[in-house]
Amino acid sequence: DTGVSQDPRHKITKRGQNVTFRCDPISEHNRLYWYRQTLGQGPEFLTYFQNEAQLEKSRLLSDRFSAERPKGSFSTLEIQRTEQGDSAMYLCASSPPSGRRSGNTIYFGEGSWLTVV
Amino acid sequence: AQKVTQAQTEISVVEKEDVTLDCVYETRDTTYYLFWYKQPPSGELVFLIRRNSFDEQNEISGRYSWNFQKSTSSFNFTITASQVVDSAVYFCALSGGPGGGADGLTFGKGTHLIIQP
Repeated sequence: DTGVSQDPRHKITKRGQNVTFRCDPISEHNRLYWYRQTLGQGPEFLTYFQNEAQLEKSRLLSDRFSAERPKGSFSTLEIQRTEQGDSAMYLCASSPPSGRRSGNTIYFGEGSWLTVV
Repeated sequence: AQKVTQAQTEISVVEKEDVTLDCVYETRDTTYYLFWYKQPPSGELVFLIRRNSFDEQNEISGRYSWNFQKSTSSFNFTITASQVVDSAVYFCALSGGPGGGADGLTFGKGTHLIIQP
């Protein structure tokens, strides 16, 4: 069973450049999440998709951030005009369908490390 | 508001010692789920356990055990006879946070566990 896959694993970019991360969730997981984690902190929620619909966004997700999940399968997270403060690990996660809030387990990928220089 | 507190920033023990990681949570929900994840240096968050708020029965899985006490809002994690491979950052998490409509998680800041040989 393939886990959550993220690409690239590491990205170094110059300030002001755009970067895009891709996430492939576990097959048949209709829920997909993006989290951000900085050094010494726990992951923080960014956004959530159910199928192709983006249902929730954190205030952490500024206008420079955009996430898509066009066909309800893989997802991309784009950061435009990167800033040094964007340096972090971006974690993607997925969970299986649920009829109601049931505490389904969320499975995480290995993350994409972003360094903005 | 959801909140998870892991007061121990770092714990260092010698191999074969027992160690307990503390987790205290705050929530107004009557139904919620608690999780523990392990994050080795590679970065991936590895799911360890999920516990729902109605089940206060302690659980043991090999060298791992979890003590859930609703009265004190705590969900502590004990590793018995620790091994060097247990060295990692451990996160406690609570469901119902941002993305909570789909079981999004609120994480603590993590406890860095160092097992010395």
